[in-house]
Amino acid sequence: GQSLEQPSEVTAVEGAIVQINCTYQTSGFYGLSWYQQHDGGAPTFLSYNALDGLEETGRFSSFLSRSDSYGYLLLQELQMKDSASYFCAVRDRAAGNKLTFGGGTRVLVKP
Amino acid sequence: DGGITQSPKYLFRKEGQNVTLSCEQNLNHDAMYWYRQDPGQGLRLIYYSQIVNDFQKGDIAEGYSVSREKKESFPLTVTSAQKNPTAFYLCASKDLSTDTQYFGPGTRLTVL
Repeated sequence: GQSLEQPSEVTAVEGAIVQINCTYQTSGFYGLSWYQQHDGGAPTFLSYNALDGLEETGRFSSFLSRSDSYGYLLLQELQMKDSASYFCAVRDRAAGNKLTFGGGTRVLVKP
Repeated sequence: DGGITQSPKYLFRKEGQNVTLSCEQNLNHDAMYWYRQDPGQGLRLIYYSQIVNDFQKGDIAEGYSVSREKKESFPLTVTSAQKNPTAFYLCASKDLSTDTQYFGPGTRLTVL
């Protein structure tokens, strides 16, 4: 099966940088995705890494190291609206087109 | 506008009643998914469908049923066999060309 681990909660101040780590175990890794979910809302797609390296999209970047079964989401220049839960999710060849989600990291941004 | 709709947003039912949650998409996606989310937890896959008239069980399918008679629609029935049905239910569809899942707004089901 698949399993993912990420920290449960992170607190930071506006303007700071936060890194959310995600380690995973799968039998046929295909790619790592990140989703953001505000309280009471639906998850929205942030980024996807299939190859090693850093993908940058504005203030958010995502990194993947396939050899280490590890990735991270980097949130820069934190804003209050970034307070949300962030989920990593892995797509596994052995599991078809299913995504398996981590438990989520709750990010709290303080003034 | 293209997107995924779920209705209703909030739903209350008595224990022992079956209830069907609606999910419709006009994104022309083949793959659709149902997830359950409990407070402070991640998403757990209930059922998924990769094409019309076909669906597979996810990780927590017991007590649930689905149908996929049309590409646009993937309704989920929560049966009385589901022991703890109160949860937030999310439907998603997937763009296979970009490997991106798009989620509906969710239905918050409370069983009294």
